Amino acid sequence: DIQMTQSPSSLSASVGDRVTITCRASQSISRFLNWYQQKPGKAPNLLIYAASSLQSGFPARFSGSGSGTDFTLTISSLQPEDFATYYCQQSYSSLITFGQGTRLEIK
Amino acid sequence: EEQLVESGGGLVKPGGSLRLSCAASGFSFSSYTMNWVRQAPGQGLEWVSSISSDSTYIYYAGSVQGRFTISRDNAKNSLFLQMNSLRAEDTAVYYCARDMVFAVWGQGTTVAVSS
Repeated sequence: DIQMTQSPSSLSASVGDRVTITCRASQSISRFLNWYQQKPGKAPNLLIYAASSLQSGFPARFSGSGSGTDFTLTISSLQPEDFATYYCQQSYSSLITFGQGTRLEIK
Repeated sequence: EEQLVESGGGLVKPGGSLRLSCAASGFSFSSYTMNWVRQAPGQGLEWVSSISSDSTYIYYAGSVQGRFTISRDNAKNSLFLQMNSLRAEDTAVYYCARDMVFAVWGQGTTVAVSS
C-alpha cells in the first residue's frame, strides 16, 4: 500500500497567518493527490483535487502544489472558518490511503 | 442535489454482524465507483472498501479483508457494506463516498462494537 505522511500533525496559527501543510507519498503518485477539510462532527469536504485544482465553493486563499511524492497545501491568509483538520489522500492506487491528518488550531 | 444517506449503524457485540446501506440520489449512481470510509473516535480517515460501477472491481483495506463485503444495487441506487466478525477496533463513523476523488460524502452512520 502507498503510505501518506502529513506534517505537521498539528499546528497553531493566528488569523491572517500563511500556513503550509505537507504530504509525502511513499512512492510516486503523479498528481493523484487530493486534500480534504473536516470540521468537528461533520463529514470531510473535498478542498483540492489533482494536486492543485480548487474545488468549487472554496476561496482562492487555498492552494495546492506538487507532483510525484511531495505535495503542499497552503492557506495564504487564515480566516476563522479555516480552523479544522486537513487530510491528504492518494487516488493513484485502487487501494486508497489518507494521511494521518493535520489539526489546525487557533493560537 | 447530489446526496448520499447512510443507515444501518448501531451497537453490536464483538463477533457480531451488521449491514450498512447508503442511498444515493441526484446523480447517475450506476456511473460511479463507490466507497466506504470510516473514522474511529478521535482518529483520522481510513478507506475501507471500493466497488466499481458495474461491480467488476472490488477492493478492501487489509484491516477488513475477509470480514467485510461491499456490494451495490444499481437499480435501487444503493450501496451496502456487510460487516461480519466485528471487533472493537471497527468502532467508527462509516461514510459512503463517491468516486476515487471523494467529492460527495454521506453524513455517516455510527457503528459501536462493544460487549
